[in-house]
Amino acid sequence: SYELTQPPSVSVSPGQTASITCSADKLGDKYASWYQQKPGQSPVLVIYQDTKRPSGIPERFSGSNSGNTATLTISGTQPMDEADYYCQAWDSSTAVFGGGTKLTVL
Amino acid sequence: QVQLVQSGAEVKKPGASVKVSCKASGYTFTSYDIYWVRQATGQGLEWMGWMNPKNYNTDYTQKFQGRVTMTRNTSISTAYMELSSLRSEDTAVYYCARGGSDRLAADRNWFDSWGQGTLVTVSS
Repeated sequence: SYELTQPPSVSVSPGQTASITCSADKLGDKYASWYQQKPGQSPVLVIYQDTKRPSGIPERFSGSNSGNTATLTISGTQPMDEADYYCQAWDSSTAVFGGGTKLTVL
Repeated sequence: QVQLVQSGAEVKKPGASVKVSCKASGYTFTSYDIYWVRQATGQGLEWMGWMNPKNYNTDYTQKFQGRVTMTRNTSISTAYMELSSLRSEDTAVYYCARGGSDRLAADRNWFDSWGQGTLVTVSS
C-alpha cells in the first residue's frame, strides 16, 4: 500500500521558516494537500493541489511538490502555528494521510 | 458559511453498531462529496470512504468494507456513517468532511470543511 512519510517532529524559533516534508514514491505525480490540527480541534485545510491556499489561510503558508517529496513551508512562523500537520494524497482511489508532524515553536 | 455539525458522543459495546450524523449547511448539500475520516486518541488521520449525496455513489476503503455504510437524507442535508461489529480498536473520533470542489472526481478532491468530530467509545 502507498505510504506517506513525515518526520514526527519539527522545531522552529518564532519568526523563522519551518519546513515539513512528506515523502512517497513519485509523490510529485500526484496532488498533495496539507492539514493543520491543533489539540482538541478538527483538522483545517491549509494547502491543496500542492500550492494553493484556501481563503483565510495566511500567506506565510506555502507548498511545493516535486519528485518524491511534498513540502509545507511556513515563513515567519508564529506561536499560533504550533500544531500537528498532516499531508494527504490519493493513490488508487484511496485517500492516504501521512503520519503527521508535530510542529513546535520555541 | 459552510458548516458541518455532527451528532454527539456515543458509547457502544463490542459487536454493536453506531450511526454518526453530519448535518450540512451554508451550501448546496448535493453538490459536494462527503468524506469520513477517523482518528484514534493520539494517532493520525485514517480515511474511511466517501459518498456522493446527489447520486448516492459510495466508495469505502478496503479495511472497512462490509462494516461501514454511508447514507444521506437530502431533505435535511444530512449524511450518515454507520459502522457495525464494533470492536475496541474502533474507539476514535469520527469526522465528516466536505470535498473542496464540486467539479472534481471524489478521488481527486481535498477536504475543505470538517465537522467538529464525534467520539465513539467501544467498551464492554
